[in-house]
Amino acid sequence: NAGVTQTPKFRILKIGQSMTLQCTQDMNHNYMYWYRQDPGMGLKLIYYSVGAGITDKGEVPNGYNVSRSTTEDFPLRLELAAPSQTSVYFCASSSGQGVRNTIYFGEGSWLTVV
Amino acid sequence: AQSVTQPDIHITVSEGASLELRCNYSYGATPYLFWYVQSPGQGLQLLLKYFSGDTLVQGIKGFEAEFKRSQSSFNLRKPSVHWSDAAEYFCAGTNTGNQFYFGTGTSLTVIP
Repeated sequence: NAGVTQTPKFRILKIGQSMTLQCTQDMNHNYMYWYRQDPGMGLKLIYYSVGAGITDKGEVPNGYNVSRSTTEDFPLRLELAAPSQTSVYFCASSSGQGVRNTIYFGEGSWLTVV
Repeated sequence: AQSVTQPDIHITVSEGASLELRCNYSYGATPYLFWYVQSPGQGLQLLLKYFSGDTLVQGIKGFEAEFKRSQSSFNLRKPSVHWSDAAEYFCAGTNTGNQFYFGTGTSLTVIP
């Protein structure tokens, strides 16, 4: 049971570099999310998507971009990495038919910007 | 503004002792509430969720939570803690299902 798969698990970036965090889910979920987790700050929603071709901003979208060309994939792009983007990133999905659906999380991607 | 607050950053309990982790919410209407657990280096796992109905919710791993509207709380409890329960616990809430608001987490240490 793959569930939500994120890659890479660990990455070190230099300031100004770009990268994409990949996220794939095999549960045919419509809703997908990207969160970042900073120490002592809980999880903050970056972007979410309610279906292929539809994305929307969350609480902290600045510095990130997303796309949703397929139901399965929801990549998160960092265009110009900054030290403030050092964080743990979690991708998640849910079937999205109302709030009664469980959110399934990936195992996280640890990103350090130096 | 919608929010979920976990007042306790860190809690230490002895193995076998009871546990209560606090969660308070601030929403215009009754939110849907969740408790997640995160073990070191892992993603979040759902422990339990509250939507409506019975205010005492049973979850996995022997956890339960009670929704108290009068106190705007959704505290997580376990009668007897095991060493394997040491982890970070997050309370979360949503009104719409589109955006979930997470608390800052409570780190649980279990002393043998």
